[in-house]
Amino acid sequence: EAQVTQNPRYLITVTGKKLTVTCSQNMNHEYMSWYRQDPGLGLRQIYYSMNVEVTDKGDVPEGYKVSRKEKRNFPLILESPSPNQTSLYFCASSLRLANSYEQYFGPGTRLTVT
Amino acid sequence: GEDVEQSLFLSVREGDSSVINCTYTDSSSTYLYWYKQEPGAGLQLLTYIFSNMDMKQDQRLTVLLNKKDKHLSLRIADTQTGDSAIYFCAEILNTGRRALTFGSGTRLQVQP
Repeated sequence: EAQVTQNPRYLITVTGKKLTVTCSQNMNHEYMSWYRQDPGLGLRQIYYSMNVEVTDKGDVPEGYKVSRKEKRNFPLILESPSPNQTSLYFCASSLRLANSYEQYFGPGTRLTVT
Repeated sequence: GEDVEQSLFLSVREGDSSVINCTYTDSSSTYLYWYKQEPGAGLQLLTYIFSNMDMKQDQRLTVLLNKKDKHLSLRIADTQTGDSAIYFCAEILNTGRRALTFGSGTRLQVQP
C-alpha cells in the first residue's frame, strides 16, 4: 500500500531533550516536506527536500533540523525542544515531476513539550 | 499576499448536498486542493484542480473554480455520515518549494 508513515504518533517530552520524528514513504517520491498544524493558523511548512541531500527552509524553520540521506526517509529533528513547538506535525511527499503536485500526507505526530 | 479563508462550520442532513466554500487572495495560484481530515487522522487528498480549469468532477465530488472572484468550492453529492470531517482548502503559490497554503478548515457535520 502506498503510504507515508510517521513515528511516533504521539510524544510527550520535556524542554531541551533532543528528539527525532521519523517520516518514511514507499512511493519513490523525490519531494518531501514537513508541516506543523496549530489551531487558527492552519498548516505551515517547516522544511522541504527536493531530493536526496537537497533540503531547504520553509516558512517556520527555527528550532528544527532535517536530513535527507535516503530517498524514502526525511526525519525531523528538534535539538532542544521548547513548549512553543507543541503542535501536530505532518510529513508529506510527492513526485517531483513538473506536472505532479499531488502531496500525500502522513497520519501526523502529536508532540507535547512541557 | 497569501491568505486562504473558509467558513468554520457546515451542518447538513444525510442525503443532501454539501457545498464548502473557500476564497484565496493570490491570483498566481497554480493548483488548488481539497483535503479531508477525520478526527485523529491525517490529511487525505480528495481532489485538486489546476488553475486553468473551471470545474472538475470525481464521483460524488465536484470542484468549481472561479478565478475572477478567487473562489473555490467543493460540492459533495448525497452526503453521508462518513463524510463528517474537517475539509481544508489549499493552494500552491511557490511551485519551487511546493509549500501548500491551507485554510483553517471547515468542519462538516452530517446529521442522520
